[in-house]
Amino acid sequence: DAGVTQSPTHLIKTRGQQVTLRCSPKSGHDTVSWYQQALGQGPQFIFQYYEEEERQRGNFPDRFSGHQFPNYSSELNVNALLLGDSALYLCASSLVVIDGSGRGSDTQYFGPGTRLTVL
Amino acid sequence: AQSVTQLGSHVSVSEGALVLLRCNYSSSVPPYLFWYVQYPNQGLQLLLKYTSAATLVKGINDFEAEFKKSETSFHLTKPSAHMSDAAEYFCAVSIAFSGGGADGLTFGKGTHLIIQP
Repeated sequence: DAGVTQSPTHLIKTRGQQVTLRCSPKSGHDTVSWYQQALGQGPQFIFQYYEEEERQRGNFPDRFSGHQFPNYSSELNVNALLLGDSALYLCASSLVVIDGSGRGSDTQYFGPGTRLTVL
Repeated sequence: AQSVTQLGSHVSVSEGALVLLRCNYSSSVPPYLFWYVQYPNQGLQLLLKYTSAATLVKGINDFEAEFKKSETSFHLTKPSAHMSDAAEYFCAVSIAFSGGGADGLTFGKGTHLIIQP
């Protein structure tokens, strides 16, 4: 059973360019979340996709956008790249399970990440 | 909004000694809590999670954590450290939405665990 996969592994761009990162979720998972991890920091939540729609968004500008396809795979797009966008971008997939109290919980499984360097 | 505080950006223990990594959380509703480990240049691997069942949670590689609501803590422990445990450890919190769906994870800044031979 393949886990979460991401492509490419590494990417180098220059300021002002646009980039697209890709993620394939773990088999059976329907939800994809994206995180940005700057060097020496914890991951920061960018947004989450479910049923091909953005369900929740963190504190990131509109330059960050995404998409989820019918097969649950996802893309993260970043426009007008800034030096500060240099980071490890992590994708996580999950499947929500409703517990006895009616609340949903999920366990997010992470891919290996895409290392983006902006020069 | 939720938040996580990990006390100690670096923790050093001797091989065979007890590992204790501290995590305190803030949440206005009952949280779900997680510990993840990250090895250099890799993604995050789940060690364990708390989802309102047993307060003492056992995870992989002999790690465990105890949820203490009164102290808003979720500290990670391991009885005997191995050299292979050297890595970055992240505590994370999320909340659940009634009827389905779950929050994006909010992570702490991480604790770098160093194992001394």
